[in-house]
Amino acid sequence: DAGITQSPRYKITETGRQVTLMCHQTWSHSYMFWYRQDLGHGLRLIYYSAAADITDKGEVPDGYVVSRSKTENFPLTLESATRSQTSVYFCASSVLRGSGETQYFGPGTRLLVL
Amino acid sequence: AQSVTQPDIHITVSEGASLELRCNYSYGATPYLFWYVQSPGQGLQLLLKYFSGDTLVQGIKGFEAEFKRSQSSFNLRKPSVHWSDAAEYFCAVGVRYSGGGADGLTFGKGTHLIIQP
Repeated sequence: DAGITQSPRYKITETGRQVTLMCHQTWSHSYMFWYRQDLGHGLRLIYYSAAADITDKGEVPDGYVVSRSKTENFPLTLESATRSQTSVYFCASSVLRGSGETQYFGPGTRLLVL
Repeated sequence: AQSVTQPDIHITVSEGASLELRCNYSYGATPYLFWYVQSPGQGLQLLLKYFSGDTLVQGIKGFEAEFKRSQSSFNLRKPSVHWSDAAEYFCAVGVRYSGGGADGLTFGKGTHLIIQP
């Protein structure tokens, strides 16, 4: 039972490059989320998705793009990476609609933008 | 908008001693409340959650939390900590499901727990 996986686990890139972080879940959960974790800020929601082809912005969406063509995948793309996007990125999923439902988190991707 | 405050950035506790981590929330209605734990280099794991009913909630690894509406608090407790409890602890609040969509969990900034031998 793989659960929710993220790849790569570590990534170093340069300012201006495009980067895609992958998230895959095997539970067929409807809802998926992307968070970033920064010192002093805790976790902040970037984007979420209610189902395939349905996505919406969270608290800090600027500079990020998401897509969800399949229920199990929810990639996050930084179209032109900036140093301020250096962070740890977590993907999460939940069974049912509503953020009152338990979210299950992946192991995270550590991204360094030089 | 909802918000969560964890007043303690770091807490140091001796092994075997009791623990209380504080969490205060701001939300207009009765919230969903969660505690998550993050071990070094790992993702977040759910410890426990409060939806309704009994205000004292039992979780995994011997943790419990008490919802106090009058104080807008949801403090996490453990009677006797173990060295393996050293981790980052996050309190979170979720919007009650109303059919209008989801906006994810709002997290506090976390409390780093250090266990002294």
